[in-house]
Amino acid sequence: GQQLNQSPQSMFIQEGEDVSMNCTSSSIFNTWLWYKQDPGEGPVLLIALYKAGELTSNGRLTAQFGITRKDSFLNISASIPSDVGIYFCAGQRYTAGGTSYGKLTFGQGTILTVHP
Amino acid sequence: DTAVSQTPKYLVTQMGNDKSIKCEQNLGHDTMYWYKQDSKKFLKIMFSYNNKELIINETVPNRFSPKSPDKAHLNLHINSLELGDSAVYFCASSQDLAVAYNEQFFGPGTRLTVL
Repeated sequence: GQQLNQSPQSMFIQEGEDVSMNCTSSSIFNTWLWYKQDPGEGPVLLIALYKAGELTSNGRLTAQFGITRKDSFLNISASIPSDVGIYFCAGQRYTAGGTSYGKLTFGQGTILTVHP
Repeated sequence: DTAVSQTPKYLVTQMGNDKSIKCEQNLGHDTMYWYKQDSKKFLKIMFSYNNKELIINETVPNRFSPKSPDKAHLNLHINSLELGDSAVYFCASSQDLAVAYNEQFFGPGTRLTVL
């Protein structure tokens, strides 16, 4: 089935550093999403991207929808300890009728560790 | 109040048993989902229901049977549990299946361990 390749798999950084992670696909997606999962919790949406080339920020987070619609990146600036968690990219593709049916395809996740 | 809730939080059982996981959402959403997260944290959709109607069934073994008694509930029943069923199962809901992406709200997960 369709897979998203997310990298890096894990990151160990110092508090205050910037972080960058990305996701690539061999196929086009109409929507790109970035989620964060805290330990013992379900994923929470951070940023949703709807148009190729779109650059969106949410506080210290910035994400971009690649021009080819086959990739996306997420940047976190000035990391803090509470940024620790697993970050997932996810893509969604519309059907020919324009109804997405809600199916999300997830990347493998990036485990982020922030040292104080 | 919790938007999407699941019970139980933890489930430990023997191979061959039958078990159910319950999910409820109080967001008034039309669409609900079940995802499986394996030991490597990979998340994969299993089922989705819209207005109690099955929309997505991602080639899940027929030992897994979702049931939606109403729009606010989507339960997952698993027959003849196998070791490979051990995972964290997440329920999620979204407003509907409109063209524009509708945010999916995830529950806290149910960690199933099959011994």
